[in-house]
Formats: sequence, structure tokens, C-alpha cells
Amino acid sequence: EAQVTQNPRYLITVTGKKLTVTCSQNMNHEYMSWYRQDPGLGLRQIYYSMNVEVTDKGDVPEGYKVSRKEKRNFPLILESPSPNQTSLYFCASSFTLAGTGEQFFGPGTRLTVL
Amino acid sequence: GENVEQHPSTLSVQEGDSAVIKCTYSDSASNYFPWYKQELGKRPQLIIDIRSNVGEKKDQRIAVTLNKTAKHFSLHITETQPEDSAVYFCAANSGSGNTGKLIFGQGTTLQVKP
Repeated sequence: EAQVTQNPRYLITVTGKKLTVTCSQNMNHEYMSWYRQDPGLGLRQIYYSMNVEVTDKGDVPEGYKVSRKEKRNFPLILESPSPNQTSLYFCASSFTLAGTGEQFFGPGTRLTVL
Repeated sequence: GENVEQHPSTLSVQEGDSAVIKCTYSDSASNYFPWYKQELGKRPQLIIDIRSNVGEKKDQRIAVTLNKTAKHFSLHITETQPEDSAVYFCAANSGSGNTGKLIFGQGTTLQVKP
């Protein structure tokens, strides 16, 4: 089944404790992206990648890191999480190089930073 | 930077009526405009998209119109049904489609009353 998966789905952590949210897609998509969703703010892009080893900043990259060592995986790293990073996170992938086509979203990861 | 404004933030209609959601964007180089629907507790899913070389696109009860001169685009849902109740997001790409950046509006919560 073609899909985007994220792990974990739920995470409660404390300020400063490094964490990684994994994202994987099995559709051989070139483009992958991370978004955070907060009430009243819609979806805001954190980072995106148009190819292996190619990543770029979205609108709200501060406090986040990403890597794209393989086509299928695009992990989101929070080196030192803070309470303002409490949010619902979505990973997405798209067949089109610049994401200008349907983006398939993962199920989401709800992160709480205490 | 690029900005996408979406109105209204909430919309309540009677079943069978039409619903219209409007978005404006700031980057004149934007050329791709998708609409996503997010049901409660679910991931966003693409419902329709339009590119800058057309002014209107329809898919059954859903249509999107684009006015590039005025830099706004709208989602039209006719004959609304209770299952149309969801949050709808518009988006626009940034930088003529070569950058991979996608900017979302703040979302519209549509309630269709039976």
C-alpha cells in the first residue's frame, strides 16, 4: 500500500531532550516536506527536500534540523525542544520535484514539550 | 515573504446550499494553488488544485477559480452535504514553482447543518 508513515504518533517529552520524528514513504517520491499545524495558524512549512542530500528551509525552520540521506526517509530532529514546539507535525511527499502536485500526508505526530 | 490569507475562518451553511472560501496571495510568481480538506483527527488530503495557466477548474461539486491579476483564488462547493464538514486549507507555492516552498492559509472550518 502506497503510504507515508511517521513515528512516533504521540510523544511527550521535556525541554532540552533531543528527539527525532521519523518519516518514510514508499512511493519513490522525490519531494518530501515537514509541516507543523497550530490552531489558527494553519499548516506552516518547516523544511523540505527536493532530492537526496538536498534540503531547504521553509517558513519556520528555527529549532529544527532535517536530513535526506535516502530517498524514502526524511527525519525531523529537534536538538533541544522547547515548549513552543508543542504542535501537531505532518510529513508529506510528492511525485513532483518542487512539490507542485498532490502532497500525500502522513498520519501526524502530536508532540508535547513540557 | 510570501503570505496567503484565507477567509472566512468559519463558515456555517445549510445542507444543499453553496459554500465559498476565498484566499489571497502575495507572491506574483506563484503558479500552483491547491486546496486541502482535513476532517477531524485526520490528515489533510488534496481535493482540487489549479495552475496559473487556467482560470477555473471543476470536479463534480467542487470548483476553484483563479484571478491572477488580483492575486486571489476561491473554492466553491455546491449542493453541500454533511460529509463536506471539515477544515479547508488553501495554499500557494512560492518563487514560480522552482523552490519547493508551499505557503498555506490559516484554514476555514466549514460546518454543513443537516
